[in-house]
Amino acid sequence: QITLKESGPTLVKPTQTLTLTCTFSGFSLSTSGVGVGWIRQPPGKALEWLALIYWDDDKRYSPSLESRLTITKDTSKNQVVLTMTNMDPVDTATYYCAHRRGGPTRERTFDYWGQGTLVTVSS
Amino acid sequence: DIQMTQSPSSLSASVGDRVTITCRASQSISSYLNWFQQKPGKAPKLLIYAASSLQSGVPSRISGSGSGTDFTLTISSLQPEDFATYYCQQGYSTPHTFGQGTKLEIK
Repeated sequence: QITLKESGPTLVKPTQTLTLTCTFSGFSLSTSGVGVGWIRQPPGKALEWLALIYWDDDKRYSPSLESRLTITKDTSKNQVVLTMTNMDPVDTATYYCAHRRGGPTRERTFDYWGQGTLVTVSS
Repeated sequence: DIQMTQSPSSLSASVGDRVTITCRASQSISSYLNWFQQKPGKAPKLLIYAASSLQSGVPSRISGSGSGTDFTLTISSLQPEDFATYYCQQGYSTPHTFGQGTKLEIK
């Protein structure tokens, strides 16, 4: 079965760079149409789409955060890494990674999610 | 970015009630619309994809409809486990934006 798990620091200081790793199993990120995305959720607030990397290494970012985000994949390790620079207290949130399935384009959606990891930005 | 607007933001209902949540896109997204359910402290769960297709394992009392800019999620007979927050999300173009959420509470 498909599982994903986020890992990284729980506390970062303002201006620091956050590096989060999504380690997954049950699928290959070299399969056509498949992707892994990152989504975050500040405490008590809505979900925010951050970034997505596809099987062919195509990368997409939220325009409002694009200058601060980098998403990469290591297919051999079954990992996707998200880095976010210049962290600020407003970036405090639970960060999720999720599997975006392939198949017909209308059906491509996040069908499996990690448990999420809470990142607090504070000095 | 495509903006997704849900209504209402919150809703009180009783077990057995029929409820409908609406999601409107700022431009046409065809049927590239997904619905998620989230319970406190948990990751979102996919309910509906492609506007009206039920994800495997999701009970048939949950349904989705719509195309273009206007979509609805309907729960035909509320069960205790349905009380949660619901989000729509468009998959038409990146960023794949989410709605602001609808919190469904017990009356």
